[in-house]
Amino acid sequence: DSGVTQTPKHLITATGQRVTLRCSPRSGDLSVYWYQQSLDQGLQFLIQYYNGEERAKGNILERFSAQQFPDLHSELNLSSLELGDSALYFCASSVADRGLTEAFFGQGTRLTVV
Amino acid sequence: DAKTTQPTSMDCAEGRAANLPCNHSTISGNEYVYWYRQIHSQGPQYIIHGLKNNETNEMASLIITEDRKSSTLILPHATLRDTAVYYCIVRGAPHGKLTFGQGTILTVHP
Repeated sequence: DSGVTQTPKHLITATGQRVTLRCSPRSGDLSVYWYQQSLDQGLQFLIQYYNGEERAKGNILERFSAQQFPDLHSELNLSSLELGDSALYFCASSVADRGLTEAFFGQGTRLTVV
Repeated sequence: DAKTTQPTSMDCAEGRAANLPCNHSTISGNEYVYWYRQIHSQGPQYIIHGLKNNETNEMASLIITEDRKSSTLILPHATLRDTAVYYCIVRGAPHGKLTFGQGTILTVHP
């Protein structure tokens, strides 16, 4: 158990819909990262937050947005869903954004868009 | 972050050492080498990291060449549970994010 909690574990929704994925980082971790893993793309970095502020942005679509709340949990919002958005979405957390501490990953949310 | 090159797949017999190579010829002086593994769609798991010295922990050893252009992850006594995709990542201090490549699929055989 990494200490990072992601909910829900599985999500099935229809095209065009909007969903919210939630991540609770390890206690004391200030930095949260979101990754998308689909069969043909591997693990793709989406976005990073540190103590409530956006720190780095990867290949995140405009239909996707994220935020980190004062209690440090984070949410990834996916809207106007397409079939190609079906993937595993992982959240990771680490103590600092610039320090080289290891990042711990949650078990992921499997999103299926039908 | 510097790119890495890893073999697509490797096999290892149970109980033997698994040596996973990684090439990172464009690594810069302030970049670290990290290794993660992912067991069948679970969240990636941190294994070890290093800068220039060899490192060892309870999971593995990391050997980095003197010129830092390549490294080897060593699992000293592989078990069936070590079957996974192993990712070698070069990570720069100012960024924090981990950029995953395709990794090496390690299959441990009985």
